[in-house]
Amino acid sequence: DAEITQSPRHKITETGRQVTLACHQTWNHNNMFWYRQDLGHGLRLIHYSYGVQDTNKGEVSDGYSVSRSNTEDLPLTLESAASSQTSVYFCASSAGRGQVAYNEQFFGPGTRLTVL
Amino acid sequence: AQTVTQSQPEMSVQEAETVTLSCTYDTSESDYYLFWYKQPPSRQMILVIRQEAYKQQNATENRFSVNFQKAAKSFSLKISDSQLGDAAMYFCAYRSPNTGNQFYFGTGTSLTVIP
Repeated sequence: DAEITQSPRHKITETGRQVTLACHQTWNHNNMFWYRQDLGHGLRLIHYSYGVQDTNKGEVSDGYSVSRSNTEDLPLTLESAASSQTSVYFCASSAGRGQVAYNEQFFGPGTRLTVL
Repeated sequence: AQTVTQSQPEMSVQEAETVTLSCTYDTSESDYYLFWYKQPPSRQMILVIRQEAYKQQNATENRFSVNFQKAAKSFSLKISDSQLGDAAMYFCAYRSPNTGNQFYFGTGTSLTVIP
């Protein structure tokens, strides 16, 4: 079955360190997204991609970067981790125009990141 | 950007009873999609139900149904015959056809089911 996976599931790091969260999907979806979830804020969009070599900033992109070198993966990098980036991070994917199930987003299991 | 409002941070319901979760949104678009996602303690986001704005008929999925009021920009979720497994955080989401496939989420409603 197709799926979307994230790794690691839990991560503790120190302020100032670079951290990369992995996201891998086997849906062959064109679109991929990164969100952070914080109490009282719901899910907020960090970055998104509509295809290979395409990346776009979302609502809360400062301090984060992504790259899309293939269809399956969209790693999220925290260039210099800050305590304000302690959160639960979700990766999601969705089909592009012309693909099946165009409207729905499928989510990974989430990564809990703690920055000390 | 579109805004989605869930005005009930917490709700509770007795097992086997019915509960309605509220969601309103702000948009100037005429065609869009609305969703309810469930997030149990496992954190996994699970799609519960979707509604296309051009459809007047309210969507239903087993015990889950929506009351979609386009003019009022309201999209409430009704859960009938509530079960213990329904306890979760519920998020309302709006998808705009004009901003690619971006979703805009509400802040969530935490539902407790009382045995």
